[in-house]
Amino acid sequence: DGGITQSPKYLFRKEGQNVTLSCEQNLNHDAMYWYRQDPGQGLRLIYYSQIVNDFQKGDIAEGYSVSREKKESFPLTVTSAQKNPTAFYLCASSIGYRRLFFGSGTQLSVL
Amino acid sequence: GQQLNQSPQSMFIQEGEDVSMNCTSSSIFNTWLWYKQDPGEGPVLLIALYKAGELTSNGRLTAQFGITRKDSFLNISASIPSDVGIYFCAGHLSNAGGTSYGKLTFGQGTILTVHP
Repeated sequence: DGGITQSPKYLFRKEGQNVTLSCEQNLNHDAMYWYRQDPGQGLRLIYYSQIVNDFQKGDIAEGYSVSREKKESFPLTVTSAQKNPTAFYLCASSIGYRRLFFGSGTQLSVL
Repeated sequence: GQQLNQSPQSMFIQEGEDVSMNCTSSSIFNTWLWYKQDPGEGPVLLIALYKAGELTSNGRLTAQFGITRKDSFLNISASIPSDVGIYFCAGHLSNAGGTSYGKLTFGQGTILTVHP
């Protein structure tokens, strides 16, 4: 089945630690995205990538980093510089520029 | 930046009732999308609208793209318990340079609770 796989489902971060969230898609989509979701708020764009080896900052990129070495993969690293990392993180992909398809999300919490 | 106001924030209804929610924007969009999110899962696309005035149905769901291009509504008819979840609207405006690729603006969501 085609889809977007995010792992792990739950992740805990210690103070000062970097953690990496995985996102893999087998939909052959060119573009991939990372969104952050906080309770009672809409989704906010962290980073997006239109093609391999290229990515752009979204609205809340500070404290995060990404890479796009393969079309299928777009990992997100939450660095120690992100002081409020607890949130639900959603990865998405699209073949055009309008219809996004989402993974099932990763819940990141701080120990 | 672009702002989307989605209302109501939450709804508590009885099974069988109809539901209506809407989104308004301070800017125009050329695409409106409606998503549903179950707890702990990613949003799933329900309906996509691409033209002002467009009215589209998907089963019990109906959505419309406002004539002004600044609003959209979603109706759910004869609600059932599995309609429970968070409904998000999202708007997109592509610019001439194409640099708004896939950058959607999301509403804050409407939490729907359906009592059997």
